[in-house]
Amino acid sequence: GAVVSQHPSWVICKSGTSVKIECRSLDFQATTMFWYRQFPKQSLMLMATSNEGSKATYEQGVEKDKFLINHASLTLSTLTVTSAHPEDSSFYICSASRQGTGRNYGYTFGSGTRLTVV
Amino acid sequence: GENVEQHPSTLSVQEGDSAVIKCTYSDSASNYFPWYKQELGKGPQLIIDIRSNVGEKKDQRIAVTLNKTAKHFSLHITETQPEDSAVYFCAARITGGGNKLTFGTGTQLKVEL
Repeated sequence: GAVVSQHPSWVICKSGTSVKIECRSLDFQATTMFWYRQFPKQSLMLMATSNEGSKATYEQGVEKDKFLINHASLTLSTLTVTSAHPEDSSFYICSASRQGTGRNYGYTFGSGTRLTVV
Repeated sequence: GENVEQHPSTLSVQEGDSAVIKCTYSDSASNYFPWYKQELGKGPQLIIDIRSNVGEKKDQRIAVTLNKTAKHFSLHITETQPEDSAVYFCAARITGGGNKLTFGTGTQLKVEL
């Protein structure tokens, strides 16, 4: 079945530094990647949607200059949290979807990245 | 935009009993309704989904029902086991909405021995 590999699974960084999270679709081509943030005991909140080769579309309230998303290929998308602050500490999850002719193959989620900013 | 409500927020059942989680959605243009199971510290895993042209779908102990008129869908788990304990999320996708999923608020299911 479809597999999405997300790395790292956890990361601790100092305030002011940047952190990059990678998401790879291992056995399919992801036409669209979604990035979510999840705070403890809360639901998944969509941050942005990216299509391969295009600029990401950010949800209202999400700072695009702070959360840089790159989707340079059909198998790799990255989220970079720039100038991280303690309030950016959260669980970040990617999701990949692919579409064929007249068909949507659903969504496959990565295993998540626990970011702690100290 | 789409709004998905989910109830209950917590559910405790005895092993072997059934569990039902309900969701309602607001946009009648929604056409795809997946259910995810999320264990602590992990990403969501799809357990079952249903499309708007189907009223019910079953996969072993798990079933989903969809009522388009009332705009609600439900997850049914029968013969619950301790390993079913997790957080469950419903979601809905709007046709032409950029394929974005809108998630419910989640249900913490605890199956007690």
